[in-house]
Amino acid sequence: EIVLTQSPATLSLSPGERATLSCRASQSISKYLAWYQHTPGQAPRLLMYDASNRATGIPARFSGSGSGTDFTLTISSLEPEDFAVYFCQQRSTWPTFGQGTKLEIK
Amino acid sequence: QVQLVESGGGVVQPGRSLRLSCKASGFSFRNYGMHWVRQAPGKGLEWMAVIWYDGSDKYYADSVQGRFTISRDNSKTTVYLQMNSLRAEDTAIYYCAKDSELYGSIYTFDSWGQGTLVTVSS
Repeated sequence: EIVLTQSPATLSLSPGERATLSCRASQSISKYLAWYQHTPGQAPRLLMYDASNRATGIPARFSGSGSGTDFTLTISSLEPEDFAVYFCQQRSTWPTFGQGTKLEIK
Repeated sequence: QVQLVESGGGVVQPGRSLRLSCKASGFSFRNYGMHWVRQAPGKGLEWMAVIWYDGSDKYYADSVQGRFTISRDNSKTTVYLQMNSLRAEDTAIYYCAKDSELYGSIYTFDSWGQGTLVTVSS
């Protein structure tokens, strides 16, 4: 099983700041990584797929990068609605998810 | 717009069964694979099962293989998860999710429901 490790567990930032979230895989997954946003009580939302492709309707302030074992989700300028939990997911083998990064308002 | 609505969760005793349903709307249901994913309290997400768009293939996580069965009724645009021999560790929020690939399953989940809570407890 491929283990995904996300860091940091919690990120405290202010609106307008830049957020950088990390996801590291226990072995190479090529580009097969997705990012999701989850606000408790709501349905998770696909943000990025195959590392760097924005899903339909996702604002341009979200971007993804990486390949192999190291991946990054960047939010260029935080909006109030961006404060949520973010988790990564690989599909190189049977799908697994990271433990999540909670992005909270500072 | 795509909508997935899960139902059927509740409190159930260990060893008993429960069937979850996920009603889909807003897309051509019969053309897409569907998944179940769960999240136990305080834990990360765990993929459970997938069913191909036409029901021809089904795959399961090792943790539920032999106990859980995924099925679908394309005429009702609904996917199901039959859960047997439930254990305390099956306690979780269960989400259904739509695969992003037309006529295939590539394990990218482009739409999710809000989830239904299953609690296994005596």
